[in-house]
Order: sequence, then C-alpha cells, then structure tokens
Amino acid sequence: DSGVTQTPKHLITATGQRVTLRCSPRSGDLSVYWYQQSLDQGLQFLIQYYNGEERAKGNILERFSAQQFPDLHSELNLSSLELGDSALYFCASSVAGGRGADTQYFGPGTRLTVL
Amino acid sequence: AQKITQTQPGMFVQEKEAVTLDCTYDTSDQSYGLFWYKQPSSGEMIFLIYQGSYDEQNATEGRYSLNFQKARKSANLVISASQLGDSAMYFCAMRDYYGNNRLAFGKGNQVVVIP
Repeated sequence: DSGVTQTPKHLITATGQRVTLRCSPRSGDLSVYWYQQSLDQGLQFLIQYYNGEERAKGNILERFSAQQFPDLHSELNLSSLELGDSALYFCASSVAGGRGADTQYFGPGTRLTVL
Repeated sequence: AQKITQTQPGMFVQEKEAVTLDCTYDTSDQSYGLFWYKQPSSGEMIFLIYQGSYDEQNATEGRYSLNFQKARKSANLVISASQLGDSAMYFCAMRDYYGNNRLAFGKGNQVVVIP
C-alpha cells in the first residue's frame, strides 16, 4: 500500500457525461500528479499540482481539469466524455516539487469506462 | 524530449532464477533520474528502484538492482531469485533532474514467473 488513495476504483458512464476522480496523497506529500494509462497511448502525464498551485502540464485535454485543495487532496474532472477517454487514471504523490530524487508513489488507480 | 525504449517481448522466467529487463533512454540532459515501477495484474503501480544520473554506484533495493550504463544510456533492471509474485508488467521511467517534473514511461516489459 503506497499510502495514496483514489476513489472510485471503477467508474462506468456514458458519452457526453462528466465525472470527478478523487485523490488523497500520502501524508506529508505536497505534490500530486495525474497520469492516464491506455492501451494505445501507454502512461501519459496529465498535470501536476504542488501545494495547491499548478506546477506542470502535460497532454491534458481542454475537456479535463484538475485542482488541489487546501487539505492537499486533488480532483480530476473529465467532461464531455468520449469513448477514447476510457482508461486507467492514476494519481501519484511526492514529498517535494518532483525534482532530483523525489519519488512519485502511485495510487491504485480509477478505471474509467465510457460507453 | 525524453524517450524511453523497452522492446523485449514477454518473458517467461523459472522461479528462483534471475531476470534482466532492458531499458534504454534518450535525453540531452546531463542530470536526470531513472525509475522502475511494477504493475501486477491488479493494476496498481509499485515503485521499485531509483537511479540518479550522477550516482556512482548502481542502485540496489533488496532483490532489485539497476545495471546503469550511462555512456550507453541504458538502465536495465535485474530481479534476482524470481518469485511467483514477480509476475507483472515492469515500466522504466525517467525525469530530468531540475526541470520537467513529469515521468516519461516506456511501454513496459511483461514478465511471467513459472514454478
């Protein structure tokens, strides 16, 4: 158990809908990262937050947004869902800003299925 | 841009034997970090080992060791004394040391340990 929690574990929804994925980092970790894992794209970095502020942005679609709250938990919002958004979404956390030897620990993931 | 290459086909390994998983990378950075993660069939991503580009010694963590050859840009993972629980996908990832916080992942190596 990495100490990173994600809810829900599974999510099934329809095209055009909006969902929210939730992540609680390990105790003491200030950074939260979101990754998407799909069969065709592999593991792709989406976005990072550090202590409430957006720190880095990757291949995140405009239909997706995220935030980190004062208690450091984070939410990833996915809207106008398409079939291609079906994937395993990981949250990871690290102690610091993600440089040097700062290791990212992953949560169990949320498996999103869009029908 | 950073690129990680893992091209080995799926591997079958006899229990108690050692296995080496290949990873080559491409970067123009001088300072960077290399990581290996394990993803069992249950889906979670488990951190195994870290190697910094300026570390003089190869990293070891229990049965895991990293054969780091900087000039060849390779960071192979060695699992000694394989166990049935080692059956999983293994991902090599890298991050540059001071800039980008995202992890860039390879496509993974599938390992099946047979009794």
